[in-house]
Amino acid sequence: GAVVSQHPSRVICKSGTSVKIECRSLDFQATTMFWYRQFPKKSLMLMATSNEGSKATYEQGVEKDKFLINHASLTLSTLTVTSAHPEDSSFYICSARGLAGGDYEQYFGPGTRLTVT
Amino acid sequence: GQNIDQPTEMTATEGAIVQINCTYQTSGFNGLFWYQQHAGEAPTFLSYNVLDGLEEKGRFSSFLSRSKGYSYLLLKELQMKDSASYLCAVSDSNYQLIWGAGTKLIIKP
Repeated sequence: GAVVSQHPSRVICKSGTSVKIECRSLDFQATTMFWYRQFPKKSLMLMATSNEGSKATYEQGVEKDKFLINHASLTLSTLTVTSAHPEDSSFYICSARGLAGGDYEQYFGPGTRLTVT
Repeated sequence: GQNIDQPTEMTATEGAIVQINCTYQTSGFNGLFWYQQHAGEAPTFLSYNVLDGLEEKGRFSSFLSRSKGYSYLLLKELQMKDSASYLCAVSDSNYQLIWGAGTKLIIKP
């Protein structure tokens, strides 16, 4: 199947700083990318959907100024957590859907564990 | 509203068979997915059903009944490594995934 990578896999940052997480589709063009957040023992929570070249669509309750999403190319989307706080500590997972994957399947990245101290 | 229900936790014995059920109510239907997720890792794809019936893939099988809004994931010859959470997700009319909360499967020797 198609491969999606995320970088970094783990990051620890201090409160008040910003962190950027990259999501790349390695062997297909991702027309749509999704960003999820997962709390311990909870299901995935969709944060936003981004289409290449256009603004991301954020889910209700997700602060777009805090979680900046950029989908500049068909193989790269970035999530920037601005002015991070300890409550932003979580597991962030991206997924991609694109031409090679068909219209229905999402391929997941391995996730990024963010810890804000 | 949209809703996906699956049991919170199940326990089974190594070598046995377990069936994890999922019921759904969504606006539109473009397929149902099952994912496996080990603790601290991202979900991995197991199966996709869009037509009624049973899809078999090795030790794992997935069944769908669209008229009943029901699916199950069947795991045979359980192994200790099958201990994980199993997530049911439905693709709605906008091809957006609606997720269940996941079923934690505990395998005992």
